[in-house]
Amino acid sequence: GAVVSQHPSRVICKSGTSVKIECRSLDFQATTMFWYRQFPKKSLMLMATSNEGSKATYEQGVEKDKFLINHASLTLSTLTVTSAHPEDSSFYICSAVGQGVGQTNEKLFFGSGTQLSVL
Amino acid sequence: QKEVEQDPGPLSVPEGAIVSLNCTYSNSAFQYFMWYRQYSRKGPELLMYTYSSGNKEDGRFTAQVDKSSKYISLFIRDSQPSDSATYLCAMNVGGSNYKLTFGKGTLLTVNP
Repeated sequence: GAVVSQHPSRVICKSGTSVKIECRSLDFQATTMFWYRQFPKKSLMLMATSNEGSKATYEQGVEKDKFLINHASLTLSTLTVTSAHPEDSSFYICSAVGQGVGQTNEKLFFGSGTQLSVL
Repeated sequence: QKEVEQDPGPLSVPEGAIVSLNCTYSNSAFQYFMWYRQYSRKGPELLMYTYSSGNKEDGRFTAQVDKSSKYISLFIRDSQPSDSATYLCAMNVGGSNYKLTFGKGTLLTVNP
């Protein structure tokens, strides 16, 4: 199926610093990518929809100035957590809309996730 | 009431058992239903994708949707230790809307 690569897989940073997470669609172009956050033993919560060439659409309660999303190309979206604090520690997952191998319908494929720990 | 309810478990079964995982939902606009498998600290992997009431089978996995009851199920036959993971149901309204609403996930352990 379609492959979505996410880096880094794990990052530890000091409180107040910024962290950038990359999400790449490796073998397909993704005009739309999604960013999720998952706390331990909780479900995935959609943070924002990233659209290539335009501003991201944020879900209610998500601070757009804190979670900066850039989707500058059809294969790359980045999420920057600015001035990170311990409460931002979480598992962040990106996803992209693509086609599975041998299929014509589009589905959502997920990256492997990034565990962010803010000290 | 949350849009999607899923018993978080944990669920522990012996190898070879039939596993039944379930979700209920309240939004009648949901038309597409998915089951994802997520290993610890990894991204979800799509297992099953259905858009109509009834059963869909893929190998040892069967997805069942009952739109009238707003209830979906995933059955795993002949469960294997490698099936041990968290299983998440997800759904959306379909069309060009790919925004998914997830259940909490059920942690499954298959014991050898």
